[in-house]
Amino acid sequence: ETGVTQTPRHLVMGMTNKKSLKCEQHLGHNAMYWYKQSAKKPLELMFVYSLEERVENNSVPSRFSPECPNSSHLFLHLHTLQPEDSALYLCASSQDQGLYNEQFFGPGTRLTVL
Amino acid sequence: DAKTTQPPSMDCAEGRAANLPCNHSTISGNEYVYWYRQIHSQGPQYIIHGLKNNETNEMASLIITEDRKSSTLILPHATLRDTAVYYCIVPRDTGNQFYFGTGTSLTVIP
Repeated sequence: ETGVTQTPRHLVMGMTNKKSLKCEQHLGHNAMYWYKQSAKKPLELMFVYSLEERVENNSVPSRFSPECPNSSHLFLHLHTLQPEDSALYLCASSQDQGLYNEQFFGPGTRLTVL
Repeated sequence: DAKTTQPPSMDCAEGRAANLPCNHSTISGNEYVYWYRQIHSQGPQYIIHGLKNNETNEMASLIITEDRKSSTLILPHATLRDTAVYYCIVPRDTGNQFYFGTGTSLTVIP
């Protein structure tokens, strides 16, 4: 247990659906991250939040919409996804957003887009 | 931009030490080296990090060469549960961004 939880663990959705992924950290951290891991590919950083402000958006399509209502919770809202968006979505947190803060990862949400 | 180079795969006999190398020849003086591992279909797990001194914790040891251009992660007594992909990371100097690369797939053999 890393102190970072993600729900749901598995999600199957159609291309016209709207769904949300949830991440919660119980570590008192100030920074949170969304990563995407497609099959046979490295993890890709999607978004970074620090003190509930988005500080990084790595050219992610607008069909992915993050939300950070407080420092413990992070959401990823999904709409009109494509089959190539099927992947493992990982949430992480760190004490702060600056360097030299190790990141703690949740177990991930396995997303399948039909 | 990976900043690190690792062999794609390695095998290790159960109970023996696993030595995983990493080259980071362009590392700058204030950049740390981090190691994570990812067991199949789980989130990455932090292992250890270091700057220039060798480091040891309950999971592993990290040996960094004097010129800091390479390092070795040592799992002293590998078990089957250590089978995973191991990532050597030098975070980007802005924003604590970790580039995970493709790592080394370690298989511990009974």
